[in-house]
Amino acid sequence: DVKVTQSSRYLVKRTGEKVFLECVQDMDHENMFWYRQDPGLGLRLIYFSYDVKMKEKGDIPEGYSVSREKKERFSLILESASTNQTSMYLCASSFRRMDQGLYEQYFGPGTRLTVT
Amino acid sequence: LAKTTQPISMDSYEGQEVNITCSHNNIATNDYITWYQQFPSQGPRFIIQGYKTKVTNEVASLFIPADRKSSTLSLPRVSLSDTAVYYCLVGVLYSGNTGKLIFGQGTTLQVKP
Repeated sequence: DVKVTQSSRYLVKRTGEKVFLECVQDMDHENMFWYRQDPGLGLRLIYFSYDVKMKEKGDIPEGYSVSREKKERFSLILESASTNQTSMYLCASSFRRMDQGLYEQYFGPGTRLTVT
Repeated sequence: LAKTTQPISMDSYEGQEVNITCSHNNIATNDYITWYQQFPSQGPRFIIQGYKTKVTNEVASLFIPADRKSSTLSLPRVSLSDTAVYYCLVGVLYSGNTGKLIFGQGTTLQVKP
């Protein structure tokens, strides 16, 4: 059974703090993703990674960075947290196709981040 | 860039068939259409994926017309446990490692007894 785990379910941080959200998957997936989920906006892709040390910007990368030093682990970093980054953050992973297309993504349970 | 639009909410009764439509007028030639289900306090879970025409699996069917500007997720004979938020996703990832993934806002399905 595929498992994607996220380091925290709930997190409260202060404005200006540096925040690390960690995600680990156990299925040897090449692709990993970070989304944020907000009411009325659905899920929006922040960054994805298709291999170790590789990353691609999604739709809303501003204010975020990512790190992938090992295949199973993908970290989302908020360099200086702001109140508008209060949200639910979801990590996902999938196999990588060698042509084009999509494999199903497996999601973690999410981290609800509150920035005060 | 594909923008996806779904109804905000739908109500149904146990045993009925439910159809949820997603509009994606600007879908690109290479985009796939995927549907996910999300329960409270959980991440989304894959239901079904298609490119054109009709796809069926053990839990749902996906209908995609020839112009691909919309898609309909069909859930046969829903039960109370199908109460959830349903998201459509339009996009593709290329082997060159670029791509776009656009989720809709989600449709909250409430199944009543």
